[in-house]
Formats: sequence, structure tokens, C-alpha cells
Amino acid sequence: EDQVTQSPEALRLQEGESSSLNCSYTVSGLRGLFWYRQDPGKGPEFLFTLYSAGEEKEKERLKATLTKKESFLHITAPKPEDSATYLCAVHSSNYQLIWGAGTKLIIKP
Amino acid sequence: EAQVTQNPRYLITVTGKKLTVTCSQNMNHEYMSWYRQDPGLGLRQIYYSMNVEVTDKGDVPEGYKVSRKEKRNFPLILESPSPNQTSLYFCASSLSIGRRQETQYFGPGTRLLVL
Repeated sequence: EDQVTQSPEALRLQEGESSSLNCSYTVSGLRGLFWYRQDPGKGPEFLFTLYSAGEEKEKERLKATLTKKESFLHITAPKPEDSATYLCAVHSSNYQLIWGAGTKLIIKP
Repeated sequence: EAQVTQNPRYLITVTGKKLTVTCSQNMNHEYMSWYRQDPGLGLRQIYYSMNVEVTDKGDVPEGYKVSRKEKRNFPLILESPSPNQTSLYFCASSLSIGRRQETQYFGPGTRLLVL
């Protein structure tokens, strides 16, 4: 069964304290892995798409990486405005998007 | 401005009273989708549409209906709402489904309470 698991469920960091969020997946035929950011009461906002193992993408303080079993979202020197829920989704060979439950990130000033 | 709009944003209703949540996108996207989001369960797909007049069930279609008569609109219909349909609903669209899943753009959400 296709599955996406994100960990941890919640993460509290001090401003400037770097860390990583994990997205583990088991799907038949990965066609793409997506990272989204969601602020409270709002729709998810696209961050990155990764298609093959070894691929990396960066945007400001965020960097996403992909292996054959998992993806990491690294956040370097985070700021309070980086606080949000980060969602991972995987596109499988049957064109379905499978979503993880998300990691709630809180950055304290 | 490129966007996905949903209406209403908030809705309180009673069990059994039919309702429709509208969704519209102005990006000429072929693919549209409806999700519900519940605490601890993440986003779950209700229905999706790959193009006009083409719709298919997602993971949790029971109790919902959709139609895609025009490219830009994808309304979600609850014929007889029940309390377990209380949730936060999102509409999303993307250019195509194709060989690679295109980036999905999400609407602002509709918070539904069924009493």
C-alpha cells in the first residue's frame, strides 16, 4: 500500500537553530515528491518538487533532498516567519497524490 | 492575478440540508481536485477531474458529488450532509496530470460545520 509518513509531528526550535524534517514514502513508481507550506487557516503553498534520487533544491533558508526512500527538508538558521506546517506529498504511478500528515514547525524568537 | 477561489469560506448547516461549495480557477488548468483536511489525518482527496466532463473518485468520495461542465469550475456538492463531514475543504488545480504531476495551486479553504 502506498504510504507517506512525516516526522516529527511537531518541532520547536529557537531562532537560528537549524534542523531537518523527514518524509518517508513507500509508493509504486515514484513520479515526484512535493513539499508544501501551510499557514493556519490557509491553503497549502508550493515549495519544491523533486523527481529523482539525489536531486536537491533550495529556496532561501530551505533545502529539500531526495533519496529512494525518503526526503528531507533542511531548514538553516530559521526565523519566526518560517513557523508553519510543512506537508509532503508523493505522486505515484497511478497519478494519485498521497499526502503525509505534516510537521508543525514552531520557531521561537 | 492567478488564483483559485472558493465560496463560501465558512458555512454552518444542519444535517440533511443540501449544499454546494463552489470552486473556480483562472489559470486555464485542466486538472482540479477537492480535498478535506482533518486534524491528524492530513489532506485526503475526495474527487478529482482531469478535464471537462471527466471526474473520478479519490480516497474519500462517499457522501460527495462533483461536476465539471466548464474548465474553470469544479463545484463540490453534499446532497445530505452529516456531522462527520464537518471539516476544512480545499479545492486545488494544476496545469495537467500528464507524465509528471504539476504543481497544485490551492484555494483559501472552506470551513464547514454540520450540526
